Amino acid sequence: KAGVTQTPRYLIKTRGQQVTLSCSPISGHRSVSWYQQTPGQGLQFLFEYFSETQRNKGNFPGRFSGRQFSNSRSEMNVSTLELGDSALYLCASSKTGGSQPQHFGDGTRLSIL
Amino acid sequence: DQQVKQNSPSLSVQEGRISILNCDYTNSMFDYFLWYKKYPAEGPTFLISISSIKDKNEDGRFTVFLNKSAKHLSLHIVPSQPGDSAVYFCAASATYTGGSNYKLTFGKGTLLTVNP
Repeated sequence: KAGVTQTPRYLIKTRGQQVTLSCSPISGHRSVSWYQQTPGQGLQFLFEYFSETQRNKGNFPGRFSGRQFSNSRSEMNVSTLELGDSALYLCASSKTGGSQPQHFGDGTRLSIL
Repeated sequence: DQQVKQNSPSLSVQEGRISILNCDYTNSMFDYFLWYKKYPAEGPTFLISISSIKDKNEDGRFTVFLNKSAKHLSLHIVPSQPGDSAVYFCAASATYTGGSNYKLTFGKGTLLTVNP
């Protein structure tokens, strides 16, 4: 059974640019959540999508946005990149979301120069 | 406001001994708790969970204990193996409420090193 796939694995951008990250959930999973991991900060919740609707949102600025397609694939976009956005971005999927055990992808490492 | 706290950034144990990882939470609405393990360059992997209606859940070498009155949970690994060396994250959620609690809130993680 294929796991959660995130692309690209690594990305280098400069300040002010924007970036789009992609996540393909496990087949049959309709919930996709995004997390940001920075050194010493653990995993911080960005947002969750279920059936193409944002169901939950964390405390991040509006520069962080996302969407989900009818096939449950999700994208996350960050506009006007800042140095502090350098992080590992993780995507997780589950069948119905919420508190169910989530299955994580290996993440996209974003570096801002 | 950190609602899930893992106060030990690191823990080192000898192979074959018990590893005990601790986690405290402040939100009394949390009623479902999970532990994840993360190796470098990989995403977190679900280990074990526990509902607030239980105080213990066991899966092979892994046991999670929940003390609701103290708002404390712990993960016991017995016996510890070198392959268990990883970062362990505690996570919590409120399953019966909506809004901002209906998501996983993670601690900052504890790096476990099991020495051969």
